[in-house]
Amino acid sequence: DAGITQSPRHKVTETGTPVTLRCHQTENHRYMYWYRQDPGHGLRLIHYSYGVKDTDKGEVSDGYSVSRSKTEDFLLTLESATSSQTSVYFCAISVDLRGPSGNEQFFGPGTRLTVL
Amino acid sequence: GENVEQHPSTLSVQEGDSAVIKCTYSDSASNYFPWYKQELGKRPQLIIDIRSNVGEKKDQRIAVTLNKTAKHFSLHITETQPEDSAVYFCAATNTGNQFYFGTGTSLTVIP
Repeated sequence: DAGITQSPRHKVTETGTPVTLRCHQTENHRYMYWYRQDPGHGLRLIHYSYGVKDTDKGEVSDGYSVSRSKTEDFLLTLESATSSQTSVYFCAISVDLRGPSGNEQFFGPGTRLTVL
Repeated sequence: GENVEQHPSTLSVQEGDSAVIKCTYSDSASNYFPWYKQELGKRPQLIIDIRSNVGEKKDQRIAVTLNKTAKHFSLHITETQPEDSAVYFCAATNTGNQFYFGTGTSLTVIP
């Protein structure tokens, strides 16, 4: 499982409340990612990080912010949750490989978020 | 950005038959193409990948082929078994940072 954990694993919240999801890794990987998974859309990148305090937006970043103050933790925050943010959220890490370009990516167990 | 299309969205095969899932991509600079298997309620798991400098890669009953000219790549599963039933996702990246995923194929292997 590449030492990736997510918390909480399940959360139900109400529209307008702030929510923070945590991704924790134990293997000191540089790259970390947040995806959301919805039926018919596959996995879509929200934000990613390429180092402490270094983050960038993905294709569905509106309504989300991230922070990475330590190598091992990558936080995803919904400042004011909406029903459209009901989804399964996966954290992932990239394993840096020597040789040809391209990094193998491994996923955490996921967080199921329901916004009522 | 990159656009990855995956077909079919659902696929049913008899146990022992072969299954083929196809993906196309739009960015000719993409150079790494992983495939993931996701069982119900579980995380996606990397099952095989291919890089742009090779045309085919095999690992026991699964294989992936890449046609850079046509910008498509395919997953082949031979001698399918019920435990192969899952959702399969393809992906593409040209940087190793941003991955673009297909919408998934739900494979059912009928005993």
